[in-house]
Amino acid sequence: GAVVSQHPSRVICKSGTSVKIECRSLDFQATTMFWYRQFPKKSLMLMATSNEGSKATYEQGVEKDKFLINHASLTLSTLTVTSAHPEDSSFYICSASPRARGQVLGNSPLHFGNGTRLTVT
Amino acid sequence: GQQLNQSPQSMFIQEGEDVSMNCTSSSIFNTWLWYKQDPGEGPVLLIALYKAGELTSNGRLTAQFGITRKDSFLNISASIPSDVGIYFCAGHTGNQFYFGTGTSLTVIP
Repeated sequence: GAVVSQHPSRVICKSGTSVKIECRSLDFQATTMFWYRQFPKKSLMLMATSNEGSKATYEQGVEKDKFLINHASLTLSTLTVTSAHPEDSSFYICSASPRARGQVLGNSPLHFGNGTRLTVT
Repeated sequence: GQQLNQSPQSMFIQEGEDVSMNCTSSSIFNTWLWYKQDPGEGPVLLIALYKAGELTSNGRLTAQFGITRKDSFLNISASIPSDVGIYFCAGHTGNQFYFGTGTSLTVIP
């Protein structure tokens, strides 16, 4: 089955530093990947849609200069949390859907990475 | 973004009992997905539904895509302790997936 790998699983950083999270589709190509943030006991909150070869689309209220997304290849998207602050501490999850370029997004399911627990001290 | 209404919010059941949860939306969806999430991990796909009226099973799990395309349910039969976790529904419409608020399941041995 389709596998999405996310790294690191946990990271602790000091306030003011930047952290990069990687999301890889291991056995399929993903022209689109999604980045979510999840608060304890809450549902997934979509932050941005990562598009291979073009700029990411950010949801309302998500600062694009703070959460930098790069989708440079068909199997890798990265989320960089810049100048992290304690309020950025959260569980970040990526997802991808195996589909051919131009194929309707909803015709194949979303597969999720294992998430990254970010703690900013 | 849009959220799906998922119920119940939480369930406490005895091992061996059946479980039923559902999701409803005011919008029509083209795809319904059901996921299970364990603490500290990403959601794992359980069942994917692509056609209105579709009924699909995965072991002790059964899910249906509602005829109106605005709802879906997930049933778990003969629950076991490892069924504990949070279950999310997800629906696809337009170019987006939308997620339910989750059902927290506790199975008492």
